[in-house]
Amino acid sequence: AAGVIQSPRHLIKEKRETATLKCYPIPRHDTVYWYQQGPGQDPQFLISFYEKMQSDKGSIPDRFSAQQFSDYHSELNMSSLELGDSALYFCANSRGDNEQFFGPGTRLTVL
Amino acid sequence: GQQLNQSPQSMFIQEGEDVSMNCTSSSIFNTWLWYKQDPGEGPVLLIALYKAGELTSNGRLTAQFGITRKDSFLNISASIPSDVGIYFCAGQPRGGSNYKLTFGKGTLLTVNP
Repeated sequence: AAGVIQSPRHLIKEKRETATLKCYPIPRHDTVYWYQQGPGQDPQFLISFYEKMQSDKGSIPDRFSAQQFSDYHSELNMSSLELGDSALYFCANSRGDNEQFFGPGTRLTVL
Repeated sequence: GQQLNQSPQSMFIQEGEDVSMNCTSSSIFNTWLWYKQDPGEGPVLLIALYKAGELTSNGRLTAQFGITRKDSFLNISASIPSDVGIYFCAGQPRGGSNYKLTFGKGTLLTVNP
């Protein structure tokens, strides 16, 4: 069965650089969520989109933005990167309000 | 904000033993989900629970949605080495477009062969 695809899987950036993380959804799953997971932590909700509109916002820094495109893929844009942004970033998909399926994640390392 | 208390934090068991872990919340959730996460990978959905009192099985896994909507447990029977990993409970509220998941802190399971 098709799963959530995230790219890149690993990303290394310097402080103050920008990064773009991409998420390609499961077919016909119209809702996308972004989560951040620090080392040894549980995933924390950042932002979600339903039918290309932002549906909810969590603890997402102002330096981050995201969008969902017409083909339902989503991108998380991160600017002015800080050391504390180093984490695993997960995209999850659902069909409406049904169960969320997670992608394999992008490991971001900020040096 | 909503918080989930998941226990135990870690468990060390022998292969073949049964395991139980649970989550409690100060708030009501309309959906409870249980995920397993291997290091560096994304959480994998094990069981989803939608109704208060619901008891659902998936192979050797059994989970229940508490009648008060504020708790859930996950049981693993006859554990095997590949059960090793971090298990997370997650609660999902319902209201408007608010479907984000709130996760527990996780239970680290180690199975000794």
